[in-house]
Amino acid sequence: SQTIHQWPATLVQPVGSPLSLECTVEGTSNPNLYWYRQAAGRGLQLLFYSVGIGQISSEVPQNLSASRPQDRQFILSSKKLLLSDSGFYLCAWTEAGIWALHFGNGTRLTVT
Amino acid sequence: GNSVTQMEGPVTLSEEAFLTINCTYTATGYPSLFWYVQYPGEGLQLLLKATKADDKGSNKGFEATYRKETTSFHLEKGSVQVSDSAVYFCALSDRKAAGNKLTFGGGTRVLVKP
Repeated sequence: SQTIHQWPATLVQPVGSPLSLECTVEGTSNPNLYWYRQAAGRGLQLLFYSVGIGQISSEVPQNLSASRPQDRQFILSSKKLLLSDSGFYLCAWTEAGIWALHFGNGTRLTVT
Repeated sequence: GNSVTQMEGPVTLSEEAFLTINCTYTATGYPSLFWYVQYPGEGLQLLLKATKADDKGSNKGFEATYRKETTSFHLEKGSVQVSDSAVYFCALSDRKAAGNKLTFGGGTRVLVKP
């Protein structure tokens, strides 16, 4: 069966520090991968998605970037965090052509 | 563009009460519709889905019917339990959009009291 792993679960980082969140999927190949952000008390905002290795689409201009170095690995990064980057970050995957997303358990990021 | 509008919460209910969460959408074409549930501190889980007009999705006692004429996908449950306390998200997918992206509503927090 397929599983998705996302880490760390929680993270507290100072303003200006770098960020790296990692997500891996097991049990499938060539998944579509997504990074969403959920700000406190708000809905989900799609940040990036990827349909293949090295293929990244950005939905919202911001301080973050994403990379997909391997088929089932998706990384969210920042060179310098802002206070506004605080939130709950969710990685998700789906099979191409299937529209039901499967989410990881999320990373709660607090930028201080 | 596509959008999903949900009723704002929180919705507070007593156990065994009837739950309705309204969801309406705007989309080009014929989207698939979804309800996701997020329990405290966790990611989202797919609750149910419907892929075409008049389809009814159901799971764990929850139901929602794809109403194309009213562009709605309201979530209902006849008798809620304390364990149903969560945030519920309505979402749609545009089959013409690249990457199988979902558009989510703002979420509705539901609190069920014993």
